[in-house]
Amino acid sequence: GQQVMQIPQYQHVQEGEDFTTYCNSSTTLSNIQWYKQRPGGHPVFLIQLVKSGEVKKQKRLTFQFGEAKKNSSLHITATQTTDVGTYFCAGPWNAGGTSYGKLTFGQGTILTVHP
Amino acid sequence: NAGVTQTPKFQVLKTGQSMTLQCAQDMNHNSMYWYRQDPGMGLRLIYYSASEGTTDKGEVPNGYNVSRLNKREFSLRLESAAPSQTSVYFCASSEFQPQHFGDGTRLSIL
Repeated sequence: GQQVMQIPQYQHVQEGEDFTTYCNSSTTLSNIQWYKQRPGGHPVFLIQLVKSGEVKKQKRLTFQFGEAKKNSSLHITATQTTDVGTYFCAGPWNAGGTSYGKLTFGQGTILTVHP
Repeated sequence: NAGVTQTPKFQVLKTGQSMTLQCAQDMNHNSMYWYRQDPGMGLRLIYYSASEGTTDKGEVPNGYNVSRLNKREFSLRLESAAPSQTSVYFCASSEFQPQHFGDGTRLSIL
């Protein structure tokens, strides 16, 4: 079945350092979404990428969608303590049938920022 | 603006007990989902409902049942709880994309 893999599983950085998490799918994706979950909280939608090679920015966050639409990355410049949490990528369910908005999530990258 | 509301927030059960997790959304979304989150496993889809009156299995449906009571409400039932079902359960809703999540139910099975 479809797999969405994320690396690394954990990342510890000093405040001010950059951070990148990578997402790879076993199948071509029509779009990819990124979510952030603060400790003890619930996942919150950050962004959706649709086009091959697309790059989008949200302040210090840069999201990329690969040319083959099978991989994606999230890069945070100059991390802050408010960036702490788990970052998930997710692609449309591709295990047969219509997706109806279903998603397959990666395992997530847990980011710790030391002040 | 409540969004997706889950009850209860915490629950401790003994092995073999049953319980129903409740979820309601006020965004008029057609699709609703139940996930479980375990350390290192990400979010795994248990069941989903594409619209009122329909439900279907996700990735890890064994040991669970669901009911889409109406467009707003989607409940998850554990008929005979097992320690392996100790997890954090999230309900979500969407009108295609993106998904909006509730605050979760932290469930422990002893």
